[in-house]
Amino acid sequence: DAGITQSPRHKVTETGTPVTLRCHQTENHRYMYWYRQDPGHGLRLIHYSYGVKDTDKGEVSDGYSVSRSKTEDFLLTLESATSSQTSVYFCAISEFGGSSYEQYFGPGTRLTVT
Amino acid sequence: SQKIEQNSEALNIQEGKTATLTCNYTNYSPAYLQWYRQDPGRGPVFLLLIRENEKEKRKERLKVTFDTTLKQSLFHITASQPADSATYLCALRTTGTASKLTFGTGTRLQVTL
Repeated sequence: DAGITQSPRHKVTETGTPVTLRCHQTENHRYMYWYRQDPGHGLRLIHYSYGVKDTDKGEVSDGYSVSRSKTEDFLLTLESATSSQTSVYFCAISEFGGSSYEQYFGPGTRLTVT
Repeated sequence: SQKIEQNSEALNIQEGKTATLTCNYTNYSPAYLQWYRQDPGRGPVFLLLIRENEKEKRKERLKVTFDTTLKQSLFHITASQPADSATYLCALRTTGTASKLTFGTGTRLQVTL
């Protein structure tokens, strides 16, 4: 987890409220990723960024938005949280994109939507 | 569509034995395959990367094989220890893009004394 922090680490929120999760890195890596992990589904990519202000969708992007205004910060926003978004969210970074480069993961954020 | 399969059932082995985990994939032509370890309540940690032209890769007690004909990777831990107990994930390039990985659901390994 060195060099990557996520905040908050735990959050309980009500359906319909907006939620923002923050990922901060000190490695100056270009690529940043947001995943969610659920039993039976494994890690699924929500959105990723390949540079400041450059983002793209993953396989489960509906209901989520992201922003990256600085190299070190990548924000994930749930505009109106739903119970189906209860999950553990992981941020990851990679020096470059592609399967030839390893990803480094943060400690995760456990989000519960009631 | 692409698919990665890892045995969802936990693998239980005795300390000192060799653990072998399997990663099968379909509808892929990956150039690289990665293995990660995940402990409960923590994020995955990168272990090994193997290229399609490498049949085998080793790192200490870990060994990974990559058979592009069988579309399979095997992950071996020799002389397993209770500290090796964790979930192990494989990951490959997401079809149609060079920048994303698709992860398997992982196999939980339990090493007992």
